[in-house]
Amino acid sequence: EAEVAQSPRYKITEKSQAVAFWCDPISGHATLYWYRQILGQGPELLVQFQDESVVDDSQLPKDRFSAERLKGVDSTLKIQPAELGDSAMYLCASSSSGSLYNEQFFGPGTRLTVL
Amino acid sequence: AQSVTQPDIHITVSEGASLELRCNYSYGATPYLFWYVQSPGQGLQLLLKYFSGDTLVQGIKGFEAEFKRSQSSFNLRKPSVHWSDAAEYFCAVNTGTASKLTFGTGTRLQVTL
Repeated sequence: EAEVAQSPRYKITEKSQAVAFWCDPISGHATLYWYRQILGQGPELLVQFQDESVVDDSQLPKDRFSAERLKGVDSTLKIQPAELGDSAMYLCASSSSGSLYNEQFFGPGTRLTVL
Repeated sequence: AQSVTQPDIHITVSEGASLELRCNYSYGATPYLFWYVQSPGQGLQLLLKYFSGDTLVQGIKGFEAEFKRSQSSFNLRKPSVHWSDAAEYFCAVNTGTASKLTFGTGTRLQVTL
């Protein structure tokens, strides 16, 4: 069964350091999402890609966060510099298209701890 | 803007007992509604969704949910809970303008044997 892959699964870093997360969506899925899930809260969309283009990054803190999906396949989310408040689970999801009728499939997430 | 409220942070039920998890939404028109489950160390899995039509929706793993417009609710139910159902459950809403989902804060389900 095809799955969304994410790495690393866990990351511990010190504040002011740079961190990067990688996501490989299900093959053929054109739409890719990055969510942030703070402990005790539901996931919040950070950025949505359609192929290699960003279609929604309204909640992405652009002063420190960046995301790319250069070839429209896998994606990287970067934080530089990391802050204590960035400690959270970062989830990647993909769907066959950006239509809400298409199910979003989630990866296992990367748990980030900033010390 | 649309919002979702899950009033119960934590629920404990005995195995074999029935379950109902509450979800209330705030939106002027009929929203598109979803329930997801998140097991420890795993990503979210879609249990069921409501777009239109029959207000009682059947999902995977024996779950169902009922859309009640008059109460702005979309509660999740299961007649008999299994120990493997212990997880966190999220209600989500989409207002149809894009595929962006707004999630509630989740309800953690504990199942006692």
